Parts: sequence; structure tokens; C-alpha cells
Amino acid sequence: KQEVTQIPAALSVPEGENLVLNCSFTDSAIYNLQWFRQDPGKGLTSLLLIQSSQREQTSGRLNASLDKSSGRSTLYIAASQPGDSATYLCAPASYSGAGSYQLTFGKGTKLSVIP
Amino acid sequence: NAGVTQTPKFQVLKTGQSMTLQCAQDMNHNSMYWYRQDPGMGLRLIYYSASEGTTDKGEVPNGYNVSRLNKREFSLRLESAAPSQTSVYFCASAPDRVTHEQYFGPGTRLTVT
Repeated sequence: KQEVTQIPAALSVPEGENLVLNCSFTDSAIYNLQWFRQDPGKGLTSLLLIQSSQREQTSGRLNASLDKSSGRSTLYIAASQPGDSATYLCAPASYSGAGSYQLTFGKGTKLSVIP
Repeated sequence: NAGVTQTPKFQVLKTGQSMTLQCAQDMNHNSMYWYRQDPGMGLRLIYYSASEGTTDKGEVPNGYNVSRLNKREFSLRLESAAPSQTSVYFCASAPDRVTHEQYFGPGTRLTVT
């Protein structure tokens, strides 16, 4: 059974800092890995998806890396802003049959960016 | 293009009552999913459907039933609600394209008293 751990559980940083969120998973037989953002009381917004054959993916100030063999992914946020304050969730996908894939979620990292 | 929609947004039930949570997507996706999110537990998969007419159990299926009514709609039914089913429920869908990226709805906040 896949288990996902996100470290740290919470993080508070001053505006402008670069920061790294960590995700580790126990089963390296994954198809891809998604990073999501969740604002309080809201749904999940997909930030980045890395295929298992890729090493990294970038979108604006966000960069996600994947080391499948060691079961690790990191989300790098450059020049953090107060609007980045949210909970960030990591979710590797495993094949569940008939063309469908299951996500297993970590408990998230709650980020607060202080102005 | 509304993406994934869920109704209702909020619901309060008494123990033993039944209800159906509705989910619809307009992206022509084959796969659909139901998750629940509880404080300190993360999101857990309840049921999923790889295509119209098929459903499979996820990690926490007990106390729930699902119906894949057609390609667009995937409903979740609580036959006899229990306080342990108090949670936020999310529906998601994914295409058969290479990425299989999952897209989430806004959620339904359910309280069972």
C-alpha cells in the first residue's frame, strides 16, 4: 500500500523567500505525481504534474522535481508571496486497472507567507 | 466549460438518514472518483469508475454506494448516515490521455448529527 509523507507539516516564512516542500512515497511504481494547492474551505487546484519518465516540471515560480527510484519529490517556490499561503498536497498516481489511476495523498504542508 | 460540479455544497443530516451527493463533469473524461477529506487524515479514495457502467472500491468504501449514471455523472449515496461520515467529499475526473491528470470539484461539506 502506498504511503505518502510530506515534510514539514507547516511552514511560516517572510515574503520573498525561496522555499522547498518535500514529499516522500513508499512505492516507486508510480505513473505520475501531482502537486495540488488547497485554500481553506476550497477544492484542490492542480499545480504541476510530473510523469514518471520526467525529472522536473516548471510553471512560473513553481518547480517540481521527481526522483522515482528514491521515492521523493520536491516542490520549489521562488520569491514567495502572501498569495502563496495555502496547503500544498502531494499525490503519486498508481495504476488501478481498466485505464484508471489512483492518487494517494499526503497530509499536506500548510504554508504561511508573512508580508 | 464548468469542469467538475458538485451538489449540494453543504448538507446536515441526522443519523440514519440517507442522501445522494451528485457530481457531473463536462470534459468528456472516462474516469471519475469520490474522495473524503478529514482533518489529520488527508484525502482518501472511496470509490472510482474507470468508465461508464463500471465502479470499483477504493480505500474506504464501507457505508457508501455509487452509481455511474452516464459518462458525465457519478453519484455517491449514503444509505444510513453515521456521525463518522461527517467529512468533506470531493469528486474528481480524469481523461484517458497520457497524463491522466485529475481535476477536482469544489466539494460537499457534510455534517451528520
